[in-house]
Amino acid sequence: DTEVTQTPKHLVMGMTNKKSLKCEQHMGHRAMYWYKQKAKKPPELMFVYSYEKLSINESVPSRFSPECPNSSLLNLHLHALQPEDSALYLCASSQTTSGQVDTQYFGPGTRLTVL
Amino acid sequence: SQQGEEDPQALSIQEGENATMNCSYKTSINNLQWYRQNSGRGLVHLILIRSNEREKHSGRLRVTLDTSKKSSSLLITTSRAADTASYFCATIVIFGQGTELSVKP
Repeated sequence: DTEVTQTPKHLVMGMTNKKSLKCEQHMGHRAMYWYKQKAKKPPELMFVYSYEKLSINESVPSRFSPECPNSSLLNLHLHALQPEDSALYLCASSQTTSGQVDTQYFGPGTRLTVL
Repeated sequence: SQQGEEDPQALSIQEGENATMNCSYKTSINNLQWYRQNSGRGLVHLILIRSNEREKHSGRLRVTLDTSKKSSSLLITTSRAADTASYFCATIVIFGQGTELSVKP
């Protein structure tokens, strides 16, 4: 199974809502990533988890709160978002976060719209 | 910024032609990866080339790496309409700006 799944596929939320994005992989990967991608732009790294611990936070605002409950799951909790946070949120996983970049496997993304 | 720069930003060709995209990066690397993304979808890993490799092939894909110039190229031979997508290079989880390829049938 080389699949990374993400739910939901689409999400529309108001600025006062609280919602969560979910990501799951069963490849035994110990590194998981959240990226944000705006239209016609490359993915921008938000967070990296390595062995269920947050190892990289790319200065992401606190209204985005990641959580890694176990080695297969990665959540992104959203609260008090702004319209400019509307984007495609991509989850990825890889075998390790050693100095060498291992192949990252990406999920299909969650298309988020903040009203 | 560690982000790479893809060149060209957009490329339009006819089916059957070859497509070449270039990527430059700023930091030292252990390897470099190329990804493809269909509109609004997740990224698909195409090929990884290690820093001690100069060229790598996979099917219709050919990737070169010049670490002295900090650059890489992706060649897609005999392109098909289904190759229409955006192509990104990536180093250490940092993505380049991407090349949007349009292949006309």
